[in-house]
Order: sequence, then structure tokens, then C-alpha cells
Amino acid sequence: GAVVSQHPSRVICKSGTSVKIECRSLDFQATTMFWYRQFPKQSLMLMATSNEGSKATYEQGVEKDKFLINHASLTLSTLTVTSAHPEDSSFYICSARPPGSSGANVLTFGAGSRLTVL
Amino acid sequence: AQTVTQSQPEMSVQEAETVTLSCTYDTSESNYYLFWYKQPPSRQMILVIRQEAYKQQNATENRFSVNFQKAAKSFSLKISDSQLGDTAMYFCAFMNTGNQFYFGTGTSLTVIP
Repeated sequence: GAVVSQHPSRVICKSGTSVKIECRSLDFQATTMFWYRQFPKQSLMLMATSNEGSKATYEQGVEKDKFLINHASLTLSTLTVTSAHPEDSSFYICSARPPGSSGANVLTFGAGSRLTVL
Repeated sequence: AQTVTQSQPEMSVQEAETVTLSCTYDTSESNYYLFWYKQPPSRQMILVIRQEAYKQQNATENRFSVNFQKAAKSFSLKISDSQLGDTAMYFCAFMNTGNQFYFGTGTSLTVIP
């Protein structure tokens, strides 16, 4: 089946540094990928929609300059948390919709990346 | 705007018993998709079951089935013969015609041996 790989699974960084998280579709091409943020014991909140070859679409309240998204190829989207601060610590999950998902647009998720900012 | 509501933050069930998780949603659209996703302690989101709104027949997937009541905008998940591996967070999700997903707040299910 369709697999979405996310790397790294865990990352710890110092406040003020930048961190890049990669999301890859391993066996399918994804023109669109989605980035979610999940706080402990809470639901997934859509941050942005990553579009291959064009600018990402951000949800209301998400800072574009802090969460940089690049979708340079049909199999890779990256999320860069710039000048990270402790409040950016969270679980970040990417997802994509494999083509032809039996008539229903099912989201396939990566395993997530836990970011801890010290 | 679409909203998805899961009114049961936590539930528990004895192993081998049946449990039903509730989900309601609000939309003005007539065509959409509904999903249940499972998030075990590993945090990997896994699709459990899906339902197309235009289909009247309730979806089933082995031990998992749904009760889809379109008029009431209700989409509950029934887990039969509960297993220890079913312990997880369960999220109800709605997808509109614009391909946007909306997730409920989740229900934490614990299967008791």
C-alpha cells in the first residue's frame, strides 16, 4: 500500500535554531501534501497544504515565515521551523492522498516528528 | 464551516466485548466522505474505515462497522470482539468537496484484559 515516510521521528534543538522535517511519498507521486500539528491529547490541526511547484496554502493563524514549506518534487515536501522557540514544541505529522484511492480520497499519514525546543 | 464533534473523550471496554464511539458533524454539503482513523501509542495514524455520504449502506471492515445517519449527521463506529491492540485514540474525520479534512477531538479507547 501507499507509504508516507517522515524524518526525523524525533528532534531536539536549542531555542533560536531552525529545524527541517522531511515528508516523502515512497511509492506514489503526491502533488499535494498536508502538514498537521498535534499537541498532547489533542486533535490534529491542519497547518498548511503543500503544493508541488507552487506556494503552500497556510491555514488562518499559521505564521508563514515561521513554518516554511517547500514542495520541490512530486515525492518530497519539507517543513522548516525557523527560529524555534519552546512553544513550537509539538508533534508534526504530514500526510498525502495516494492517487486512485478506491474512489475515496483517503489520507495516508507519516509516522510524525516530535520536536522539542529547549 | 464544517465541524466534527466527538463527545466521548475517554472510553473503556472489556476484551471481546463491543463498544461504540460517537461522532457528529455539521455541514451544509450533500456530498462528502467520513472516516475513522486510529492513532495507537506509536502515534502513527491508521485508517480504520471510510464512508461515502451518497451511499446508504453502512461500511464494514472486519470487526469495525459504522452507523451512518445522514439526516442526523451522525457517524458512529462500532468495534466488535474488542482486542487489546484496539487500544488507541480514535479520530472521526470529515472531508468536503474541496478535499479539506476536518478531525474531531478524539476518543481515547482502552481495552481492558
